[in-house]
Amino acid sequence: GAGVSQSPSNKVTEKGKDVELRCDPISGHTALYWYRQSLGQGLEFLIYFQGNSAPDKSGLPSDRFSAERTGGSVSTLTIQRTQQEDSAVYLCASSPRTGGEQFFGPGTRLTVL
Amino acid sequence: AQTVTQSQPEMSVQEAETVTLSCTYDTSENNYYLFWYKQPPSRQMILVIRQEAYKQQNATENRFSVNFQKAAKSFSLKISDSQLGDTAMYFCASTRPRGNYGGSQGNLIFGKGTKLSVKP
Repeated sequence: GAGVSQSPSNKVTEKGKDVELRCDPISGHTALYWYRQSLGQGLEFLIYFQGNSAPDKSGLPSDRFSAERTGGSVSTLTIQRTQQEDSAVYLCASSPRTGGEQFFGPGTRLTVL
Repeated sequence: AQTVTQSQPEMSVQEAETVTLSCTYDTSENNYYLFWYKQPPSRQMILVIRQEAYKQQNATENRFSVNFQKAAKSFSLKISDSQLGDTAMYFCASTRPRGNYGGSQGNLIFGKGTKLSVKP
């Protein structure tokens, strides 16, 4: 079956612009996670969705970051007024249950000029 | 808070040889999961092996096995008969199952990674 997909694969934007990153999880997976991978910080948890429960936003670095998950499936991570320090690879993962194996997408490489 | 430490930023091994990657973690939980993920240059994170903390038996997956020492909070990965395709970044990660703990909900906590190069 299809794995986790993310789009776009690469995104170059100018400082101050808003960007939207999309994640399509594996069908039937109820848990969805966003992580950020950067040279300086390694892999950091951003936000977690589980079914219809309120998301765990504890990892979001600032209020410029937000995410939603529509219909318990597709998720969108939005970064407003992008800064150069937002440049990183953004990884999405889904899991059939919380705490179980997470299946990762190929990531979106974001470059803020 | 849980932390994961990988003390070897880079390692290399000859093809067909065996290599061990180190990982230590710190947690106050009694029930948790440990993982090794592989990230080749393609950027795709791939699960290599998983260990449930309540299981004493070390997990194995073909050429990959772990040495899980719960008391020492150590979780090393052994790769036998190394192949060129094993060249990648390897990340050790921990999580804990959902429960009445509050706080994080099963998100992965990663180490900084070990860059493994397999040489022909």
